[in-house]
Amino acid sequence: DADVTQTPRNRITKTGKRIMLECSQTKGHDRMYWYRQDPGLGLRLIYYSFDVKDINKGEISDGYSVSRQAQAKFSLSLESAIPNQTALYFCATQSKKTSGVADTQYFGPGTRLTVL
Amino acid sequence: AQTVTQSQPEMSVQEAETVTLSCTYDTSENNYYLFWYKQPPSRQMILVIRQEAYKQQNATENRFSVNFQKAAKSFSLKISDSQLGDTAMYFCAFMKQYNDMRFGAGTRLTVKP
Repeated sequence: DADVTQTPRNRITKTGKRIMLECSQTKGHDRMYWYRQDPGLGLRLIYYSFDVKDINKGEISDGYSVSRQAQAKFSLSLESAIPNQTALYFCATQSKKTSGVADTQYFGPGTRLTVL
Repeated sequence: AQTVTQSQPEMSVQEAETVTLSCTYDTSENNYYLFWYKQPPSRQMILVIRQEAYKQQNATENRFSVNFQKAAKSFSLKISDSQLGDTAMYFCAFMKQYNDMRFGAGTRLTVKP
């Protein structure tokens, strides 16, 4: 089974609808991230969480909200979807190393979201 | 803010040949990490290689190696003996200690038979 899973894998919705993207991980990592990928722009950070009680805005948080329900679950919500939120969304996880060396981020399979 | 630049939007290489993808970054930090990720058509983000800035030795992983030039803020990826399965988007990424990643715009690599 995959260590980082995302649901749904693909979603088509209409302008104004509320939508939630979910991420779950079995890696036991403390840190979780949501990124958005647009053609020609690479991945950009939306929100990140270093533990259940710690939520931080990323580079492009406007129009999005998140919830860290448990160490293993991190959800991204679009309260009122708009067409320019059409993109590929990735969840990533990272362990909190204590040795002074940062861990790599591990990505889920992505969710393709289309807002009509 | 850290920026990552990949100046080659698209590249192609013949099977079994060697290709080098370029990446430059801008930072005032001394302690950081650099990564190359591969994104095949399946769209999964797959770690190819990572480099710690405090290590002078260039990282290698089988057919993949990097040329890390800290003073020049350059981090190129060399793929030797290219295979058809190497066809993908390649993203260079920068990460400060315990912080978020910044990605380049990507280079689309096509390996031709």
